[in-house]
Amino acid sequence: TQLLEQSPQFLSIQEGENLTVYCNSSSVFSSLQWYRQEPGEGPVLLVTVVTGGEVKKLKRLTFQFGDARKDSSLHITAAQPGDTGLYLCAGPLGNQFYFGTGTSLTVIP
Amino acid sequence: SQTIHQWPATLVQPVGSPLSLECTVEGTSNPNLYWYRQAAGRGLQLLFYSVGIGQISSEVPQNLSASRPQDRQFILSSKKLLLSDSGFYLCAWRPASSYNEQFFGPGTRLTVL
Repeated sequence: TQLLEQSPQFLSIQEGENLTVYCNSSSVFSSLQWYRQEPGEGPVLLVTVVTGGEVKKLKRLTFQFGDARKDSSLHITAAQPGDTGLYLCAGPLGNQFYFGTGTSLTVIP
Repeated sequence: SQTIHQWPATLVQPVGSPLSLECTVEGTSNPNLYWYRQAAGRGLQLLFYSVGIGQISSEVPQNLSASRPQDRQFILSSKKLLLSDSGFYLCAWRPASSYNEQFFGPGTRLTVL
């Protein structure tokens, strides 16, 4: 059973376009994390959202945690080729972290 | 600052051979440690995690095993590799003081032929 579902699974856009990636669950999480991973490397933590309804901004990236703490979104404004990568959401339950299915983003110059 | 190391970075092994992947964390004490496997371009599958020396929890029954001989050392092993063991193996740690953060090593690409 996949606790966290991400959509879309694949996304290919032109440089300068905006995009949103979604992370949904039927479970309540105390927090959700977003990671970006490049081929052949480990995931890098981008942000942690903790409070329901919280919005965090990291340059052109905006992260939101749902009011009920069951979902999160990542919005990228004016995407650049350097944003290309695999985006993963994750949330802790007990001693484990559950990961989403991943969104593979390609930004075409 | 904290850092996490994994080695080797890449490994090519024949079917039936043994495996030992090592992960060490520096600059922290009493971390939770994790081993994941990742299929190409997809999410992570948790294999093992450890909350302390000698304490190992297994999530997926298979021919892999894990050990934690020291506080900041986590080892993934196999006595006999299968073709299906090929993949990208990631070690991660979580600070004892922070419930919400997990940090990853650079990974090991294992190819079983």
